[in-house]
Amino acid sequence: EAQVTQNPRYLITVTGKKLTVTCSQNMNHEYMSWYRQDPGLGLRQIYYSMNVEVTDKGDVPEGYKVSRKEKRNFPLILESPSPNQTSLYFCASSVDTATTNEKLFFGSGTQLSVL
Amino acid sequence: SQKIEQNSEALNIQEGKTATLTCNYTNYSPAYLQWYRQDPGRGPVFLLLIRENEKEKRKERLKVTFDTTLKQSLFHITASQPADSATYLCALGGSYIPTFGRGTSLIVHP
Repeated sequence: EAQVTQNPRYLITVTGKKLTVTCSQNMNHEYMSWYRQDPGLGLRQIYYSMNVEVTDKGDVPEGYKVSRKEKRNFPLILESPSPNQTSLYFCASSVDTATTNEKLFFGSGTQLSVL
Repeated sequence: SQKIEQNSEALNIQEGKTATLTCNYTNYSPAYLQWYRQDPGRGPVFLLLIRENEKEKRKERLKVTFDTTLKQSLFHITASQPADSATYLCALGGSYIPTFGRGTSLIVHP
C-alpha cells in the first residue's frame, strides 16, 4: 500500500532533550516536506527536500533540522526542543512539484508535547 | 503580502444540502489550486486539483471552480452527508512549493 509513515504517533518530552521524528515513503517520491499545524495558524512548512541531499528552509525552520540521505526517508530533528515546538507535525511527499502539479500524500501525524 | 483566506468560522448545514466553501487569495499567481480534506488529528487527504486554465472540475459529489480574475476558488459538496463533516483546506501552487490556507470546518447535521 502506498503510504507515508511517521513515527512516533505521540511523543512527550522535556525541554532540551534531543529527539527525532522519522518519516518514510514507499512511493519513490522525489519531494518530501515537513509541516507543523497549530490551532488558528494552519499548516506551516518547516523544511522541504526536492531530492536526495537537497533540502531547503520553509516558513518556520528555526529550531529544526532535517536530512535526506536516502530518497525514502526524511527525518525531522529537534536538537533542543522547547515548549513552543509543541504541535502536530506532518510529513508529506509527492512525485515532484516542479512541473506536474502533483498532489501531496500526508502521514498520519505526530503529536509532540514539550514540557 | 501574500495571503490565502478561508472562512475561519465553521459552516453548519443540514444533510442533503449543498455545502459551499471559499478560498480567496491575494498576491499569488497560482498555476493550480488543490483541495484537501482533514479529519481531526489526521493528515490531510487530497481531493481535487484545478489548473489556472480550467474553470470547473467535478468528481462525484464534489465540484471546484477557479476564477483567476476574482482570485477565488469555490468548493461545493452536493447532497451533503454527516460523513462529509471535516476541515477542508485549499492549497495554491505553481513554480513554488504549495502553500495552504488555514481551512474551514464543515459540520453536516443529520
